[in-house]
Amino acid sequence: EDKVVQSPLSLVVHEGDTVTLNCSYEVTNFRSLLWYKQEKKAPTFLFMLTSSGIEKKSGRLSSILDKKELFSILNITATQTGDSAVYLCAVDPGYSTLTFGKGTMLLVSP
Amino acid sequence: EPEVTQTPSHQVTQMGQEVILRCVPISNHLYFYWYRQILGQKVEFLVSFYNNEISEKSEIFDDQFSVERPDGSNFTLKIRSTKLEDSAMYFCASSETGGGYTFGSGTRLTVV
Repeated sequence: EDKVVQSPLSLVVHEGDTVTLNCSYEVTNFRSLLWYKQEKKAPTFLFMLTSSGIEKKSGRLSSILDKKELFSILNITATQTGDSAVYLCAVDPGYSTLTFGKGTMLLVSP
Repeated sequence: EPEVTQTPSHQVTQMGQEVILRCVPISNHLYFYWYRQILGQKVEFLVSFYNNEISEKSEIFDDQFSVERPDGSNFTLKIRSTKLEDSAMYFCASSETGGGYTFGSGTRLTVV
C-alpha cells in the first residue's frame, strides 16, 4: 500500500521564522510529488516535483525532492501570519490517483 | 484563471436521505475525481472518472455512492442513503492529462 508521511504534524512559529516541512513516501510507482496549501477549504497547488535535486521556488516558498531517499521538503522563509495553513504533500504514481499525507498544520503567530 | 466550481458549498441532510453534490470541472479537462476529507483527517480518494466511466474507485466508494456526468459540463457525486459518517468535506478535482489536478473549493456535507 502506498504511504505518504508528513512531519511534523503541527508546528507553531513566530512571524519571520523559517520553517521546514517534511514529506517521505513509500510508493510502488512514482510520477511526481505535489505540495498543496489548505486554508479553510480546498487544497491550492504549490509545487509539482518530478526530478531529484532541482529546487522549485515561488517567492518565500521553495521545495526540493530526493528520489533516492524518498522525501521532499518544503521551506518557508520569513514566515507571515498568512502562511498559517495545513500543508499537504501528495504523490502521483502516474497510473492512479493521488495519495495524500495527513498534512502539517502550521500556525504563524504575530 | 480557470477553476473547478462546486455546489452547494454547504449541505445539511438527514440520515438516510439522498444527496447530490455538483461539480463543474475545467472545460478542457478530461479526468475527474472526487475526494473527501473528514474533519481533522487526511484527504481520501473516492473515485476517478475518464471517458464517461469510472476508471478507479476506493473501498470507501461502495454501492451507496455513484457518479455521473449528465451533460458536457457537470460531474456529480450521489450518496444514496447518507450515514452520519458521511459527514465530511467533499472535493472535486479535474485534470487535463491525468496529472496537474485542480481542486474545487469543496462541499461541506453534514449528516444529522
